[in-house]
Amino acid sequence: DAGITQSPRHKVTETGTPVTLRCHQTENHRYMYWYRQDPGHGLRLIHYSYGVKDTDKGEVSDGYSVSRSKTEDFLLTLESATSSQTSVYFCAISESMANLYNEQFFGPGTRLTVL
Amino acid sequence: TQLLEQSPQFLSIQEGENLTVYCNSSSVFSSLQWYRQEPGEGPVLLVTVVTGGEVKKLKRLTFQFGDARKDSSLHITAAQTGDTGLYLCAGDAYGGATNKLIFGTGTLLAVQP
Repeated sequence: DAGITQSPRHKVTETGTPVTLRCHQTENHRYMYWYRQDPGHGLRLIHYSYGVKDTDKGEVSDGYSVSRSKTEDFLLTLESATSSQTSVYFCAISESMANLYNEQFFGPGTRLTVL
Repeated sequence: TQLLEQSPQFLSIQEGENLTVYCNSSSVFSSLQWYRQEPGEGPVLLVTVVTGGEVKKLKRLTFQFGDARKDSSLHITAAQTGDTGLYLCAGDAYGGATNKLIFGTGTLLAVQP
């Protein structure tokens, strides 16, 4: 299994508070992704990174920011959490050079509840 | 906008039955992947299909990529309770020009003993 961890695994917070989720990999993969998973919507891309300090928006990026200061860490920040951001968040990694088809490996997920 | 639609959304069957799950799009994908996700865990890659008409087998699971590379199917023979989970298809967005995937909405399979 690819070495991907996410922290925290569960979090309950209140509306308006900032929240940071962490994704850590030990595979030295270039690409990292943050998705959210909601019933009826499958997995939707929030932001992704194609290298240290190189990030871009996904389809549902409003209200989220990311940072990647090291290859192994990709942080997702909710600046002011809202109830609509209650979801399960997954981090994924991919290595383009050896992987022609963008096969992704996922972390275990973080369940976030915003009250 | 590229979309992947999966059907059915839910499927409950008895152990030993056969089933087919479909993944359809109006867009062409250069490759398509199937993932399985168990409760409380992240998706795990099962297979990647890349050639139109390609068929890949993984034990009791058979994956097919449509000739026009717009659709795919997953057939499970003699389902077992261990096959229970959420099945997701995913295609490379923008013809592979980016390293992004588009995911289908998933098929939730429950195999009853």
